[in-house]
Amino acid sequence: QVHLQQWGAGSLKTSETLSLTCGVSGGSFSGYAWTWIRQSPGKGLEWIGEINPTGNTKYNPSLRSRLTLSVDTSKKEVSLSLASVTAADTAVYYCARWGFDVVGDFHYYNLDFWGQGTTVTVSS
Amino acid sequence: DIQMSQSPSSLSAVVGDRITISCRASQNIDGNVNWYQLRPGKAPRLLIYGASTLQSGVPSRFSGSGYGSDFTLVISSLKPEDFATYYCQQSFDSPRTFGPGTKVEIK
Repeated sequence: QVHLQQWGAGSLKTSETLSLTCGVSGGSFSGYAWTWIRQSPGKGLEWIGEINPTGNTKYNPSLRSRLTLSVDTSKKEVSLSLASVTAADTAVYYCARWGFDVVGDFHYYNLDFWGQGTTVTVSS
Repeated sequence: DIQMSQSPSSLSAVVGDRITISCRASQNIDGNVNWYQLRPGKAPRLLIYGASTLQSGVPSRFSGSGYGSDFTLVISSLKPEDFATYYCQQSFDSPRTFGPGTKVEIK
């Protein structure tokens, strides 16, 4: 069974850099892309970005200028770095696998395994 | 970016009710919609992918349908553990946007 374990600092001050890491165990690491998602208090899910094992990334345009995703395939880890945080970055952050299934002639992609979530609070 | 909308934003129901949640994309996304359940304090759970394929381990009371830009999630008979917030997500293009969510509350 695929298991994602997250860790990183949960309390930050304005303008600091948020750093989170997600370690993957069980299942294939290299065959999938890995995604970060967040949920701000009282709000819905927000897709942050994804990275594949070769390091190719897709970012949410609203975060692109501050966001860096990285991957260490030898450790089976993906990391998120978000610079210059403000209170608006306070959220529960999740990592998840961008899985897929083949249905007929189509590949359907989805977030099939999730980490436990990390609560990040930004204060002044 | 593809915008996803959902309706209703919330609904009240009782155990045993059949409920329907709608999701609409701002453009054609073929069958590239996923549905997730989010309960407080728990990680989101994938329910449906490819608009209508039930994720392994998800009870059959959940079903999805739709194609193009209009999609539906149905829970045929609500159980107590189904009171949660449900999100659709498009997997057609990046950024892989979510709908705003539908909160299913106990009446």
